[in-house]
Amino acid sequence: GENVEQHPSTLSVQEGDSAVIKCTYSDSASNYFPWYKQELGKRPQLIIDIRSNVGEKKDQRIAVTLNKTAKHFSLHITETQPEDSAVYFCAAPRIGSNYKLTFGKGTLLTVNP
Amino acid sequence: GAGVSQSPSNKVTEKGKDVELRCDPISGHTALYWYRQSLGQGLEFLIYFQGNSAPDKSGLPSDRFSAERTGGSVSTLTIQRTQQEDSAVYLCASSLGPIDTQYFGPGTRLTVL
Repeated sequence: GENVEQHPSTLSVQEGDSAVIKCTYSDSASNYFPWYKQELGKRPQLIIDIRSNVGEKKDQRIAVTLNKTAKHFSLHITETQPEDSAVYFCAAPRIGSNYKLTFGKGTLLTVNP
Repeated sequence: GAGVSQSPSNKVTEKGKDVELRCDPISGHTALYWYRQSLGQGLEFLIYFQGNSAPDKSGLPSDRFSAERTGGSVSTLTIQRTQQEDSAVYLCASSLGPIDTQYFGPGTRLTVL
């Protein structure tokens, strides 16, 4: 939707712990929710996405959950590793658009060895 | 295959000068996006091209910004009379079609002195 709120802005965890980042969106018609990882000085890269016809999607240590009623979706990283340290961005389609994404402001995740 | 490429990787210019930033999308991708990323911020949508359709310019911050996409492939973002507030990383992305996964280029870091 027009507004995508992402929390927290920074997150520090110990290696092996889990990390959860949450985003809320405003447009109930939104149907596509990608998550991007951006390492320092690098380009954003898609790590996982979910469409509104499912409530959860997993890919190894990464999962995304979607709550359409509450209009929020979350990224879950289990067994975190130092190489997971990066900025993570969520995104959702803008109101009335099936191609324009509004990105959250990002979460800086630091995994301490 | 080759990913999205952008040039130059870095551009330093003086206030008031014009700059051109180039994006080469993934071959066969019909959709092309330009974003701006300021320090510590999320990605701000600038412009969208889809096939031969008229571009969506709704994200361009002022009339000093323009973009074109020739032959449905390479795109150029032009900033005229650059201002210091134009300093940012300009990212290009392409996707197979609307709402498909967007693949980002490495970005052009623009510094306006």
